[in-house]
Amino acid sequence: AQSVTQLDSQVPVFEEAPVELRCNYSSSVSVYLFWYVQYPNQGLQLLLKYLSGSTLVKGINGFEAEFNKSQTSFHLRKPSVHISDTAEYFCAVSVNAGGTSYGKLTFGQGTILTVHP
Amino acid sequence: ETGVTQSPTHLIKTRGQQVTLRCSSQSGHNTVSWYQQALGQGPQFIFQYYREEENGRGNFPPRFSGLQFPNYSSELNVNALELDDSALYLCASSLVAGFGEQFFGPGTRLTVL
Repeated sequence: AQSVTQLDSQVPVFEEAPVELRCNYSSSVSVYLFWYVQYPNQGLQLLLKYLSGSTLVKGINGFEAEFNKSQTSFHLRKPSVHISDTAEYFCAVSVNAGGTSYGKLTFGQGTILTVHP
Repeated sequence: ETGVTQSPTHLIKTRGQQVTLRCSSQSGHNTVSWYQQALGQGPQFIFQYYREEENGRGNFPPRFSGLQFPNYSSELNVNALELDDSALYLCASSLVAGFGEQFFGPGTRLTVL
């Protein structure tokens, strides 16, 4: 079974500062990795995904993440945050099991990013 | 291109009642997954439907059931509601070959009193 740990439940940061949201996963098989953002009272929006290839993945809204297989991590970064980035962020994995995979997502507990002026 | 839609937006039920939540998948997507997100938690996988059949299930009791229709829309039914069923229920659609990438609807907020 897979599991995802988001190491920080809340991250406060000032506007225009850099931010890193940490995610570690556990799996006995290879995985696909995702970051989703959830604004208040809304569903989930995909920020970025790692399927294969380059370990540095760029997503929407200036976010990027780096897949580190040896450390089983997939940390999300942004060099300069805006007030509008205030939201909850979820790291998720799904099993890369080829044709048998049905793409079930296993989510972390979420990290609330609060950007202060 | 129409995204994933869910209805109703909010719902209030009492313990022991039954509820049906609805989801219309994104155009071209033939797979629908349902997730339960309790307050302050990450979403938990309930089950997935592909071509009108259940194609995987999470750790939820049988009183959680579903349907998928020929147009790929879906229903989530919950019988004998319990207080702990209060949550945001999210529907996500995907292509089976989509490497697990799922597109989420806005959710239905269910409150059980």
